[in-house]
Amino acid sequence: QKEVEQNSGPLSVPEGAIASLNCTYSDRGSQSFFWYRQYSGKSPELIMSIYSNGDKEDGRFTAQLNKASQYVSLLIRDSQPSDSATYLCAVTLSGTYKYIFGTGTRLKVLA
Amino acid sequence: DTGVSQNPRHKITKRGQNVTFRCDPISEHNRLYWYRQTLGQGPEFLTYFQNEAQLEKSRLLSDRFSAERPKGSFSTLEIQRTEQGDSAMYLCASSFPVAGQETQYFGPGTRLLVL
Repeated sequence: QKEVEQNSGPLSVPEGAIASLNCTYSDRGSQSFFWYRQYSGKSPELIMSIYSNGDKEDGRFTAQLNKASQYVSLLIRDSQPSDSATYLCAVTLSGTYKYIFGTGTRLKVLA
Repeated sequence: DTGVSQNPRHKITKRGQNVTFRCDPISEHNRLYWYRQTLGQGPEFLTYFQNEAQLEKSRLLSDRFSAERPKGSFSTLEIQRTEQGDSAMYLCASSFPVAGQETQYFGPGTRLLVL
């Protein structure tokens, strides 16, 4: 089992719709969870961090964490074509300084 | 520009040559990370520095890879006797934890092609 798993996509949504991106992780001791956006040929950019169970909202983005289910998700409301990118989920590995990234989900927002 | 910078941005080398990359973190950041990313994959952790101390190194990193952060500021990553499999984007990130939480800021990366 991979440490962090994401569906590679592509996930296609129409402009204005809600995009839902999911991530599961294997380390029950993980404490920190992150969503990064990466445009083609560019470096990752942090969108959201979440550390406790529940929802965290920032503008059009909502991160949801469920530690019991080892599941973290990202919702993007009112999706825009400029949101088209690869979204990377990252998790800190307990007892280490390591950040483990998933392979990313490619999102396409259709105008 | 006060972000993380990396040099060079692109490097083409022949198999067997040594290469060195430099990362300049955001000035007040005491944590520095190196990652490697290949096409279609997420960044893969290579090593971590807190100030000048290298506190963690991936087991995936062979003896051909070495990293330093001599004065706790900039860092270098050297790859000796490069192989074609080393072709990848090498990313540096820095952070400064606040109240147990940290945000990693990534540099633009160095794209390495080994011929």
